[in-house]
Amino acid sequence: NAGVTQTPKFQVLKTGQSMTLQCAQDMNHEYMSWYRQDPGMGLRLIHYSVGAGITDQGEVPNGYNVSRSTTEDFPLRLLSAAPSQTSVYFCASSRERGGYEQYFGPGTRLTVT
Amino acid sequence: AQSVAQPEDQVNVAEGNPLTVKCTYSVSGNPYLFWYVQYPNRGLQFLLKYITGDNLVKGSYGFEAEFNKSQTSFHLKKPSALVSDSALYFCAVRDISGGYQKVTFGTGTKLQVIP
Repeated sequence: NAGVTQTPKFQVLKTGQSMTLQCAQDMNHEYMSWYRQDPGMGLRLIHYSVGAGITDQGEVPNGYNVSRSTTEDFPLRLLSAAPSQTSVYFCASSRERGGYEQYFGPGTRLTVT
Repeated sequence: AQSVAQPEDQVNVAEGNPLTVKCTYSVSGNPYLFWYVQYPNRGLQFLLKYITGDNLVKGSYGFEAEFNKSQTSFHLKKPSALVSDSALYFCAVRDISGGYQKVTFGTGTKLQVIP
């Protein structure tokens, strides 16, 4: 199993540009989520999904969109990048029944200039 | 709303000494509690969880944690610290009651084990 994979590992964007961060898992997990990690603020939930076709907002959803057309994939779209979105982004997945612990991807370091 | 507090930004402990990393939580229903560890430039790794049952849970790498409902705490402990335990530790909570599905993380505690 590859676990949770994220691409790209690093990205630099200019203000106003859009892009999609990719996330995939091969563990057939129902639950997937996106977090951003900023110094001193821990991990903050952006969006999450409890299954294909079902998504919901987390703590800091503004400026981000998600969709979940398959169990495996959960891409995060930045609509119009802003310097405030400079951060490290982590995708995670978990099994909903009997599990709940999350498996994290390696992260994407995004810089917006 | 649910929340997690990790009151210490950093904990320093000598190698071989016991360590404790503190976590308190607030939920309206029944908590599912987790500890994760993050090494530099890596994603988070799961250490242990409390779902139900015995209040003392054991996890990876010799870590354990005790669920205390009256004090709403879930402190991480290890009897004898190793230099390789130096990392960033996160506590997380999920309130399953009523189907609540969001996971909330604390701000993290940096553990420094001194040789």
